[in-house]
Amino acid sequence: DIQMTQSPSSLSASVGDRVTITCRASQGISNSLAWYQQKPGKAPKLLLYAASRLESGVPSRFSGSGSGTDYTLTISSLQPEDFATYYCQQYYSTLFTFGPGTKVDIK
Amino acid sequence: QVTLRESGPALVKPTQTLTLTCTFSGFSLSTSGMCVSWIRQPPGKALEWLALIDWDDDKYYSTSLKTRLTISKDTSKNQVVLTMTNMDPVDTATYYCARAITMVQGVPAGGYYFDYWGQGTLVTVSS
Repeated sequence: DIQMTQSPSSLSASVGDRVTITCRASQGISNSLAWYQQKPGKAPKLLLYAASRLESGVPSRFSGSGSGTDYTLTISSLQPEDFATYYCQQYYSTLFTFGPGTKVDIK
Repeated sequence: QVTLRESGPALVKPTQTLTLTCTFSGFSLSTSGMCVSWIRQPPGKALEWLALIDWDDDKYYSTSLKTRLTISKDTSKNQVVLTMTNMDPVDTATYYCARAITMVQGVPAGGYYFDYWGQGTLVTVSS
């Protein structure tokens, strides 16, 4: 199975900050990567797919980049509603795997 | 409007078999490219993918759990059922079903990422 890691596991940030989260796959996944946002008690919400394509309705402050094994999620200007946990997921292999998550909380 | 809803027992005993049903609307699993998956999340922990079934009745299972899982679909009822045998307290989790689209009108599109999710159902395994 392809293993996914994320860094950092948590971070504290202020409203307006630029935030970057990294996701690394144990082998190349050819941009077959999605990012999700999850708030406490809620189901995950799809933010981006194909590493950099924004899901309809997701604010443009979210962006994704990367290639091969290394990918990033960037929030250009953190908003109060962005405090949540973020997960990456690879779908290059049909043994789909999620990263362990990155919790973004208020500094 | 696409919706998914999970249903099943809130409490199961160790060694029992869990049966969960995902009832969905707004799409059909008989349409090429449509898929439904099960994903779980133990309290305070990360998401774990379990199984997926597609429009063509192809099935995929988590490597670590495949001997315990069975996924099936009833297209006429718009339902996907997951069974998990030999439940253990470590299987306590919120179980989600979610949709993926891999093809649109016969053309590869999208991928196995999950655009719509149910609200989840918490299953506790305890004697």
